[in-house]
Amino acid sequence: ETGVTQSPTHLIKTRGQQVTLRCSSQSGHNTVSWYQQALGQGPQFIFQYYREEENGRGNFPPRFSGLQFPNYSSELNVNALELDDSALYLCASSLGSGGPFDEQFFGPGTRLTVL
Amino acid sequence: GDSVTQMEGPVTLSEEAFLTINCTYTATGYPSLFWYVQYPGEGLQLLLKATKADDKGSNKGFEATYRKETTSFHLEKGSVQVSDSAVYFCALTTTGNQFYFGTGTSLTVIP
Repeated sequence: ETGVTQSPTHLIKTRGQQVTLRCSSQSGHNTVSWYQQALGQGPQFIFQYYREEENGRGNFPPRFSGLQFPNYSSELNVNALELDDSALYLCASSLGSGGPFDEQFFGPGTRLTVL
Repeated sequence: GDSVTQMEGPVTLSEEAFLTINCTYTATGYPSLFWYVQYPGEGLQLLLKATKADDKGSNKGFEATYRKETTSFHLEKGSVQVSDSAVYFCALTTTGNQFYFGTGTSLTVIP
């Protein structure tokens, strides 16, 4: 069974650019959540997708957007990058509709640096 | 709003010492509570969970009891090992589609 994978591992962008991060869910999982983890902080919830529809969103501006594909892989897009967007971006997949009893399986993350 | 507050780190313990990492929460509904662990160089892993008051989650010698009266979910282990060195995160959800994490507590266990 393949776990959650994310690409790329590391990424360096400049302020104002756009970035796309990718996530492949664990086999059979139909729910994916994205988190931003700043250095020394806990993960902050960005949004969740269930069966290709957004199923919840945290306190992030609209320039953070996402997609979930029919194979349940997912993308996180960030437009107009700011220095404060520098962080580890985590993807987590789960089986079900995102209910409170669903265990989330996390990927290793993508480290984004904005210069 | 919903939030989690956990004890500041870092924590350094000798092998076989007793561990407590405090976690308290604020929630508008009836949360499920979790402890996640992040080992060096690895992703977050679920350590244990509790979904209702007075439930005790346990795994790998770690335990945490969901205390509604004190809004707490403290993590404990009776005898830590070097391999327990990691960052521990307390988390909650009331809806299942939005999770709130604490800031993490770094634990180092020395032989």
